[in-house]
Amino acid sequence: DGGITQSPKYLFRKEGQNVTLSCEQNLNHDAMYWYRQDPGQGLRLIYYSQIVNDFQKGDIAEGYSVSREKKESFPLTVTSAQKNPTAFYLCASAAEVYGYTFGSGTRLTVV
Amino acid sequence: QQQVKQSPQSLIVQKGGISIINCAYENTAFDYFPWYQQFPGKGPALLIAIRPDVSEKKEGRFTISFNKSAKQFSLHIMDSQPGDSATYFCAASAQGGSEKLVFGKGTKLTVNP
Repeated sequence: DGGITQSPKYLFRKEGQNVTLSCEQNLNHDAMYWYRQDPGQGLRLIYYSQIVNDFQKGDIAEGYSVSREKKESFPLTVTSAQKNPTAFYLCASAAEVYGYTFGSGTRLTVV
Repeated sequence: QQQVKQSPQSLIVQKGGISIINCAYENTAFDYFPWYQQFPGKGPALLIAIRPDVSEKKEGRFTISFNKSAKQFSLHIMDSQPGDSATYFCAASAQGGSEKLVFGKGTKLTVNP
């Protein structure tokens, strides 16, 4: 089955801790995206990558980092510099003909 | 100029009725307008998309109407069903379906039985 997998489904972060959210796709899509979803805010773009070994900041990149070493993988690290990280994080991959395919999301909570 | 404005924020419709959600944009470079459906705790799923060369696209009970001169597009759900209860997002991008999308803030649709 082709698709996009996010893990873990739930993640808890302590103050001052870095955490990494996983995103893997087997759709052979070049483009991958990370969005943050907060109630009433829609989806806001954190980072995106159009090709391996290249990525660009989105609208709310501060406090986050990414890497794109493989076409299939686009992990997101939420650093301690992100002061309000509690949110639902969505990863997507995209191809011209098919548009975006989203993963099932990771819900991150600060404890 | 990068915003997509979506309304209403919430919508309650009776079973069998028509649900209408509207979006407006400013950036004339946008050329791809998808709609996504999201159920609680899940990622959004592509519902239907349109490009500016057509004014309407229909897939089953779902129709996108597009008005290029007014820079508006809307989603119509005919014969709305309780299973359609979800949050709907409009979006737009320039240069195609794999480019970065700008999303509206979403409409929570409730269809009462």
